[in-house]
Amino acid sequence: QKEVEQDPGPLSVPEGAIVSLNCTYSNSAFQYFMWYRQYSRKGPELLMYTYSSGNKEDGRFTAQVDKSSKYISLFIRDSQPSDSATYLCARWGSSASKIIFGSGTRLSIRP
Amino acid sequence: GAVVSQHPSRVICKSGTSVKIECRSLDFQATTMFWYRQFPKQSLMLMATSNEGSKATYEQGVEKDKFLINHASLTLSTLTVTSAHPEDSSFYICSPALADAQDTQYFGPGTRLTVL
Repeated sequence: QKEVEQDPGPLSVPEGAIVSLNCTYSNSAFQYFMWYRQYSRKGPELLMYTYSSGNKEDGRFTAQVDKSSKYISLFIRDSQPSDSATYLCARWGSSASKIIFGSGTRLSIRP
Repeated sequence: GAVVSQHPSRVICKSGTSVKIECRSLDFQATTMFWYRQFPKQSLMLMATSNEGSKATYEQGVEKDKFLINHASLTLSTLTVTSAHPEDSSFYICSPALADAQDTQYFGPGTRLTVL
């Protein structure tokens, strides 16, 4: 079983729709959870990171963590064509410095 | 976010040659450098971790004699792919970081290596 599981997509939604991206993880020792956005042929950029269960908002983006079910989500409101990218969830544990990434979900926002 | 540069951004080489990729953190001193590899439509896979002035720690399955990492300073690290083969063709991404700080790990723009 992979440490972080993510549906690779692709996911295509119309502009303005709410997007829901999800990941599950297997190791309860994970403490930090991150979402990265990666445009084609570019390095990933950190969108959000969360530590505790619950929601964290930043503009149109909301990250949600449910540690009881080992489920993490990213919601994008009022989606724009510029949001079209691959979104990677990741975990980072306090006992190790390395980040473990999910496989990434390719998202396309149709104008 | 921090500025990270990689050079070259793209390289095509013949099988058997060696390729050096440079990674520079331009506005902060990276105590730790991570090197990742990403195959098409796949996620980033950590290859190795290095701390400035120390030998790199390689992930399982990554040949340390094939992927030479040098982290001689806090702003520069290099990855050398020795005797490259077509299966080494991939997108290589560096990630300088301040130790154990998940919000200060930044990623370079990547280097696309194609081995013919």
